[in-house]
Amino acid sequence: GAVVSQHPSRVICKSGTSVKIECRSLDFQATTMFWYRQFPKQSLMLMATSNEGSKATYEQGVEKDKFLINHASLTLSTLTVTSAHPEDSSFYICSAFAGTVPYEQYFGPGTRLTVT
Amino acid sequence: GIQVEQSPPDLILQEGANSTLRCNFSDSVNNLQWFHQNPWGQLINLFYIPSGTKQNGRLSATTVATERYSLLYISSSQTTDSGVYFCAVERNSGNTPLVFGKGTRLSVIA
Repeated sequence: GAVVSQHPSRVICKSGTSVKIECRSLDFQATTMFWYRQFPKQSLMLMATSNEGSKATYEQGVEKDKFLINHASLTLSTLTVTSAHPEDSSFYICSAFAGTVPYEQYFGPGTRLTVT
Repeated sequence: GIQVEQSPPDLILQEGANSTLRCNFSDSVNNLQWFHQNPWGQLINLFYIPSGTKQNGRLSATTVATERYSLLYISSSQTTDSGVYFCAVERNSGNTPLVFGKGTRLSVIA
């Protein structure tokens, strides 16, 4: 099946610094990628939808200036958490859609961000 | 927006037992996926099943789209089946976000 990777898998950073998370589709081209956040013992919450070559669409309550999303190619989307604070500590997961049948979405392994 | 309800929220099984997890959704969908989230957080695709029945080893799933529910069956459960099972749906066909249920937390004990 289709493979989506994320890098890094785990990152610890100091409050006030920025962190970039990469999401790559390894064996297919992703017309659309999605970014989710998951807090402990909760479900996945959508943060934004990213289409290649266009601006991301953010969900209500997600600060677009804090969570910068770039989808510069059909295989790569990046999420940058700017000026991170402890409350941004979470598990970030991306998914990708190939735009072809079957209309299945494939998920990356996630990135655990800890802000100290 | 579309609502997804999963039941039961928690389930404890003895190894070797069978179980059925349910997913109800509030509107018609073109995409339904079942996932297993392992202890490391990775979401494992179990089934892409907007309708019909599929089987993969000890797991099988059935979606009755007209009645807006899906069932995930786990037979002869093993301790490695432990984790959280999520159902997620989409009204379109892959290019809009999946809406996730709250999950069923399964613990299989030896």
